[in-house]
Amino acid sequence: DADVTQTPRNRITKTGKRIMLECSQTKGHDRMYWYRQDPGLGLQLIYYSFDVKDINKGEISDGYSVSRQAQAKFSLSLESAIPNQTALYFCATSDSGIGYTFGSGTRLTVV
Amino acid sequence: QKEVEQNSGPLSVPEGAIASLNCTYSDRVSQSFFWYRQYSGKSPELIMSIYSNGDKEDGRFTAQLNKASQYVSLLIRDSQPSDSATYLCAAFGSGNTGKLIFGQGTTLQVKP
Repeated sequence: DADVTQTPRNRITKTGKRIMLECSQTKGHDRMYWYRQDPGLGLQLIYYSFDVKDINKGEISDGYSVSRQAQAKFSLSLESAIPNQTALYFCATSDSGIGYTFGSGTRLTVV
Repeated sequence: QKEVEQNSGPLSVPEGAIASLNCTYSDRVSQSFFWYRQYSGKSPELIMSIYSNGDKEDGRFTAQLNKASQYVSLLIRDSQPSDSATYLCAAFGSGNTGKLIFGQGTTLQVKP
């Protein structure tokens, strides 16, 4: 099993719908992150969490929300999806000072 | 200046050659640097980390850190077509934020 699991792998949704992307990890890391990646724009941080009671906004948090249900689970929600949220979404985990481990990604298309 | 900058490329090298990928950084990052490899449509994979000045070798990969000039390099010896991917340079932001800041990535093409 993968250390960091994202579901779903692919999703097509309509404008205005609420959608949740889920991430779970077995690495025992406290720190979890959500990034989006657009072609040519690199990785942009949406939200991050250093423990269950700690949630922080990243560079592009508008239109997104998160929930840290447990140390191992970190979910990203799009409250009302819009087409420019079409992107590849990655969850990542880390231990302090160590580089990230990424999940396989969710390809989201908003039509 | 962006915190972490890379030339987007593409960088094209023949099979068997040395590929040299470069990254510059600003004073707004800490001194921990990482190189990730990302195949198209896949997730980034950590291939090298470097924390101190000098070279660090792992197989065909060598990471180089020059703090005085504020650059980090990744050398790939005996490049193979399977090395064709986008390489992301990353560093933690200063102030122990725990957030990795990524460069835009350099696309490497290794031609048979």
